[in-house]
Amino acid sequence: NAGVTQTPKFQVLKTGQSMTLQCAQDMNHNSMYWYRQDPGMGLRLIYYSASEGTTDKGEVPNGYNVSRLNKREFSLRLESAAPSQTSVYFCASSDWGESHRLEQYFGPGTRLTVT
Amino acid sequence: QQQVKQSPQSLIVQKGGISIINCAYENTAFDYFPWYQQFPGKGPALLIAIRPDVSEKKEGRFTISFNKSAKQFSLHIMDSQPGDSATYFCAASRGSNYKLTFGKGTLLTVNP
Repeated sequence: NAGVTQTPKFQVLKTGQSMTLQCAQDMNHNSMYWYRQDPGMGLRLIYYSASEGTTDKGEVPNGYNVSRLNKREFSLRLESAAPSQTSVYFCASSDWGESHRLEQYFGPGTRLTVT
Repeated sequence: QQQVKQSPQSLIVQKGGISIINCAYENTAFDYFPWYQQFPGKGPALLIAIRPDVSEKKEGRFTISFNKSAKQFSLHIMDSQPGDSATYFCAASRGSNYKLTFGKGTLLTVNP
């Protein structure tokens, strides 16, 4: 049981390049999320998928697209990377566990630098 | 509009002391308040959570205190240990909404 896995762990892009961050979970969770974490800004939600087949914008969606490929996989695409997208990206999945506790399980993160 | 405000940004505590981190929220529809712990180079992990029908939740050395009228909740770490050194995030959500709104985080350092 690997939990939430993300690839790649590190990436350096030049301005204008594109890339896709991959995320997969093996906990059979319905909901999945993409966050970015920047110093002093906390965790900001980019996009989320409440269930397979649905996606919705979060707090900072501009410059990103997502695909919920199936129940396990949720990818984040940067079509034309900008230096402002330099950040640590976290994928998470969640479900309502026992005692109606909403727990989000986070992956290890992808550290992206755009030069 | 920042819906969950967290303070302080950073906190230094001596081993054995009490660490206190505070959060305030604006949306009265929030009804679930978790705290997440993040170690360097790792993703955040759920530490403890509370619903507004109780004023306090304790799990080991970690306690959440909740004040519904003041729209505030806090994390208390008793007998703080160097291994507690991490970044702590408060968060809030409402109803069946699957989104969490996070505070900006508190970097806790526990000196030996």
